[in-house]
Amino acid sequence: EPEVTQTPSHQVTQMGQEVILRCVPISNHLYFYWYRQILGQKVEFLVSFYNNEISEKSEIFDDQFSVERPDGSNFTLKIRSTKLEDSAMYFCASSESSGRYYEQYFGPGTRLTVT
Amino acid sequence: QKEVEQNSGPLSVPEGAIASLNCTYSDRGSQSFFWYRQYSGKSPELIMSIYSNGDKEDGRFTAQLNKASQYVSLLIRDSQPSDSATYLCAVSVSGGSYIPTFGRGTSLIVHP
Repeated sequence: EPEVTQTPSHQVTQMGQEVILRCVPISNHLYFYWYRQILGQKVEFLVSFYNNEISEKSEIFDDQFSVERPDGSNFTLKIRSTKLEDSAMYFCASSESSGRYYEQYFGPGTRLTVT
Repeated sequence: QKEVEQNSGPLSVPEGAIASLNCTYSDRGSQSFFWYRQYSGKSPELIMSIYSNGDKEDGRFTAQLNKASQYVSLLIRDSQPSDSATYLCAVSVSGGSYIPTFGRGTSLIVHP
């Protein structure tokens, strides 16, 4: 069964450093998403991406965040200057399309620890 | 502000019992409703989606939706210890990109 994959599974970085989280969405899916989940809290939407453009973003997704689809398979989330409060699980998700009946499938996540 | 509320639990049920998980939402324009299962330290795994009032069954799982009461529930029949996890309710509204809003989740413990 096709699945979303993410690398690395765990990333430790120092405050102020840049990190890039990588995702390979399900191959026939056209919409891609990033979510984060701080330990013990809700899953929070960061950004959605379609046709090489951001289609929607949340208040969390400020100028320190960026997304890119550098090739036909990868989808990346970059955090330019990490802060302690960026420590969280980051989940990539994808869906076949956008709309009422399209379900999102999540990758296994990257645990980001900022020290 | 779109709110999705769930009792954090834990909900503890014996093996073989029916587990009932509940979720309420604030936006009357909500159109799509999802239940995800999340094991500790893992990612959300989609269990069920429901879009219209009534019941939807899939194996041991039944999702129930009541839009008038703004209420969606998940029943797990013949609960197994492997069902022990946090169950996340997610709700999306029409008129946009249908990005789901997640509840905090209910922790379910199925004891042998």
